[in-house]
Amino acid sequence: AQKVTQAQTEISVVEKEDVTLDCVYETRDTTYYLFWYKQPPSGELVFLIRRNSFDEQNEISGRYSWNFQKSTSSFNFTITASQVVDSAVYFCALSEASNDMRFGAGTRLTVKP
Amino acid sequence: KAGVTQTPRYLIKTRGQQVTLSCSPISGHRSVSWYQQTPGQGLQFLFEYFSETQRNKGNFPGRFSGRQFSNSRSEMNVSTLELGDSALYLCASSLFLGGHTNTEAFFGQGTRLTVV
Repeated sequence: AQKVTQAQTEISVVEKEDVTLDCVYETRDTTYYLFWYKQPPSGELVFLIRRNSFDEQNEISGRYSWNFQKSTSSFNFTITASQVVDSAVYFCALSEASNDMRFGAGTRLTVKP
Repeated sequence: KAGVTQTPRYLIKTRGQQVTLSCSPISGHRSVSWYQQTPGQGLQFLFEYFSETQRNKGNFPGRFSGRQFSNSRSEMNVSTLELGDSALYLCASSLFLGGHTNTEAFFGQGTRLTVV
């Protein structure tokens, strides 16, 4: 069975601090996909990144970076020099053979000015 | 390019009633999935439609149903509403490529359903 754990329920940082959001997943499949989404107060889920199980390369996109480690079943997300606009709930998700996603409980990030 | 459109944005219904929510996917996307989001259970998968066929279904009672039209627009229906059905219902569309290639899903703003 697939499972996604985001152990950090809430994180609060001051602007310009770096912050890492943790995501640990469980799956029996060898082919799977991992995602990160951002949910601002408006409600829609904003797609941030998709990574397949065969691609362990880390990725950097501006202030965002992702660290995928199959050995520890983790797909962590780091925001460098956080900004107030980064305040949102962030979800990690996993999908296997079917197209549905299993989401973690989410991490609420608050960036204070 | 227009995003995923969900209507209505807000809805208040009475217990026992039924409700229909609508989702228009991104142009060219043929896969539409529905999710329920509640404070207690988080984001849960309801079902997925592709080419007018339900491909996958989550663990929800039969009161929850859906369909997809030939233009890929989708509707979901909840009959005999219960208080616990109060939630944000999110629709996602994706460019399903076939086989085992899961592409990213793009979400609408959701329909917030309140059952009183």
